[in-house]
Amino acid sequence: DSGVTQTPKHLITATGQRVTLRCSPRSGDLSVYWYQQSLDQGLQFLIQYYNGEERAKGNILERFSAQQFPDLHSELNLSSLELGDSALYFCASSPRGQGALNEQFFGPGTRLTVL
Amino acid sequence: KNQVEQSPQSLIILEGKNCTLQCNYTVSPFSNLRWYKQDTGRGPVSLTIMTFSENTKSNGRYTATLDADTKQSSLHITASQLSDSASYICVVSAWDDMRFGAGTRLTVKP
Repeated sequence: DSGVTQTPKHLITATGQRVTLRCSPRSGDLSVYWYQQSLDQGLQFLIQYYNGEERAKGNILERFSAQQFPDLHSELNLSSLELGDSALYFCASSPRGQGALNEQFFGPGTRLTVL
Repeated sequence: KNQVEQSPQSLIILEGKNCTLQCNYTVSPFSNLRWYKQDTGRGPVSLTIMTFSENTKSNGRYTATLDADTKQSSLHITASQLSDSASYICVVSAWDDMRFGAGTRLTVKP
């Protein structure tokens, strides 16, 4: 158990809908990262927040947005969902924003299925 | 362009055998290189993390090597076990960039 929690575990929805994924980082970690992993694909970095502020942006679509709240939990919002958005979405946390030994700890993931 | 390439794409070995996975990268300037193990449907778990000055690091039966001059890393698994069946992901970071390899899917058969 990494100490990172994600809810829900599974989510099934229809095209065009909007969903919110939630992540609670490990106690004391200030950074939260979001990743997308489609079936049999590698991890794609979406976005990083550090202490409430956006820190780095990866391949995140304009239909997707995220935020990190004062209690450091984070939410990833996915809107106008398409079939291709079906994937595992992972959240990771780390103690700092950057640095050579700033290890990330991954949550168990949320499996999103868009029908 | 910053890239990470892993080989082989997949590998099948018998239980008890050793194997080596490769990671080549072009990420610059280099900050650190990590190897993760990811079981199917689960989140990745860190195995090793190495900075520029380190050329080998072990974690039990897992040993990672790094050659920063040739920009190559390898992950050696000794005396494989059935539980080693997973994807192994190489992640290379620059100061403000992080690149993931596509992973090597390892299957250990009895």
